[in-house]
Amino acid sequence: DVKVTQSSRYLVKRTGEKVFLECVQDMDHENMFWYRQDPGLGLRLIYFSYDVKMKEKGDIPEGYSVSREKKERFSLILESASTNQTSMYLCASSYRTYEQYFGPGTRLTVT
Amino acid sequence: AQRVTQPEKLLSVFKGAPVELKCNYSYSGSPELFWYVQYSRQRLQLLLRHISRESIKGFTADLNKGETSFHLKKPFAQEEDSAMYYCALNGGSNYKLTFGKGTLLTVNP
Repeated sequence: DVKVTQSSRYLVKRTGEKVFLECVQDMDHENMFWYRQDPGLGLRLIYFSYDVKMKEKGDIPEGYSVSREKKERFSLILESASTNQTSMYLCASSYRTYEQYFGPGTRLTVT
Repeated sequence: AQRVTQPEKLLSVFKGAPVELKCNYSYSGSPELFWYVQYSRQRLQLLLRHISRESIKGFTADLNKGETSFHLKKPFAQEEDSAMYYCALNGGSNYKLTFGKGTLLTVNP
């Protein structure tokens, strides 16, 4: 079974803090994705990566950056957290297919 | 640009009733459509894809290119079908997906 893990299930941060969300997959998948999930807005792609050190912006990259130094790990960085970044963040991975395997999610609250 | 529309945010049916979750898409290329499901306190997971033409947990979905639709159907809903359902469309390069906004299905006893 593919396992995608995220570093925290719940996170509370203050406005202006730098926030790191980590995602690790154990199946040597090339593609990794970061989404935010908001009620009524569905899943929106923030960034994705198709190989180590390779990344592309998704639909809503503003205020976020990413890092992929190793194939199994994909980090989402909020440079200066703001209250409108309070959300559920989902990480996913895939290998040459459209079947994406999702992590459990991190519920981030920015106060 | 590709787009996925799920017109119903909420859908409520009684156990044993038929259920249809609507999905419409716009895409200039060759579409591949998927349904993903998220049960309460579980991860989002793939339910079915149009290419495989299979039935999963009693659900089926047929791609209708003329109507640009991929509706999810089940003849007799069960309480355990209560979940959030997302329709998704292939997004071009690198296996990206474009998701709809989701439909929360509640099956009442």
